[in-house]
Amino acid sequence: ILNVEQSPQSLHVQEGDSTNFTCSFPSSNFYALHWYRWETAKSPEALFVMTLNGDEKKKGRISATLNTKEGYSYLYIKGSQPEDSATYLCASITQGGSEKLVFGKGTKLTVNP
Amino acid sequence: KAGVTQTPRYLIKTRGQQVTLSCSPISGHRSVSWYQQTPGQGLQFLFEYFSETQRNKGNFPGRFSGRQFSNSRSEMNVSTLELGDSALYLCASRPGGSLYEQYFGPGTRLTVT
Repeated sequence: ILNVEQSPQSLHVQEGDSTNFTCSFPSSNFYALHWYRWETAKSPEALFVMTLNGDEKKKGRISATLNTKEGYSYLYIKGSQPEDSATYLCASITQGGSEKLVFGKGTKLTVNP
Repeated sequence: KAGVTQTPRYLIKTRGQQVTLSCSPISGHRSVSWYQQTPGQGLQFLFEYFSETQRNKGNFPGRFSGRQFSNSRSEMNVSTLELGDSALYLCASRPGGSLYEQYFGPGTRLTVT
């Protein structure tokens, strides 16, 4: 994988459903992975910064896991609420001098009441 | 603590003109990054400034340039505007390197006619 890819592109769930989506990134020279939530008409907001293989982070009902050897991260939302509706972005950083974040195109989540 | 601010919020320019966008980071944050968001493309990294020096640069033509002042405020300039430059331009600040989460501003919506 050369770019950061996110799937699915969009997702519609019912309130109360649990859901998850995937971020795939280059595993070679991995340095860090960021997750952001971007609500409509607002600014992207940081969720997690992850660096270690096997890392698992949690913030409320949202959690994320990281597999740096195979180059993927999962974001889980437990008991989705309408206020979770947003685009979820991941961004990968590779080692080698440059610390620029390479973003995926995001997963747009819509939670129906 | 005040968040990241960007001015102006909306801008309409004509093809061939130039434009300057401004970003004031969170107090104490020395890194400012700029991103371009266009439909279907996701967030594309433009450049990052740290302590008045450009630290990283994305794959954009030389018409896109930036600078950072001693108070960490940053400006982005686009010369000879093209229709394809119409986009949302976001800046983000953080205290240091890429292991810190980024704090995004509200963006400047640029329309080129």
